[in-house]
Amino acid sequence: TQLLEQSPQFLSIQEGENLTVYCNSSSVFSSLQWYRQEPGEGPVLLVTVVTGGEVKKLKRLTFQFGDARKDSSLHITAAQPGDTGLYLCAGEGYTGAGSYQLTFGKGTKLSVIP
Amino acid sequence: DTGVSQNPRHKITKRGQNVTFRCDPISEHNRLYWYRQTLGQGPEFLTYFQNEAQLEKSRLLSDRFSAERPKGSFSTLEIQRTEQGDSAMYLCASSPVYTEAFFGQGTRLTVV
Repeated sequence: TQLLEQSPQFLSIQEGENLTVYCNSSSVFSSLQWYRQEPGEGPVLLVTVVTGGEVKKLKRLTFQFGDARKDSSLHITAAQPGDTGLYLCAGEGYTGAGSYQLTFGKGTKLSVIP
Repeated sequence: DTGVSQNPRHKITKRGQNVTFRCDPISEHNRLYWYRQTLGQGPEFLTYFQNEAQLEKSRLLSDRFSAERPKGSFSTLEIQRTEQGDSAMYLCASSPVYTEAFFGQGTRLTVV
């Protein structure tokens, strides 16, 4: 079983501050995705990283995939109240017999206070 | 195409009743996943289809749960003899082969 550990579990910060969320595993993933989820809704895909060491930027969000493809981080610059939500990382791994599985971490619940 | 569609959005049922949820994936997406999510947790994998074939099934999926994807298009998830512990958000996602998953808005099940 592939497990993903996310930290911190909860994060409450003031508007304008920077933050980093971590996603760690002992397993190697073929790709890793970050999602944001709001209460009562399904997760919305933010980014996919595939190559070890890859860095992707999405406006104020910077995503990094570890060199060994076992971990990832999400950095938000100058957080805004609209960034509030549950941030989930998910790793895609091959489970054998032609099957892939997307395994999720428990998420980081971010609150940005105006 | 408007994305992954799930119906119903909300379902309240009495313990012991059967319920069925439907998921319409994005057209031409080969892969379809079902997940379950409880409050404060990330989505837990239930089952995975590639086209019409159910290739993976979690140990979380007891004998009361069954999923189908006839013709490799829409999928249904049925829960028989519901229990209070089945109360959760049931999420469906679809993806083209070997890339990221796109989720529907989920079906919120409450068993009373």
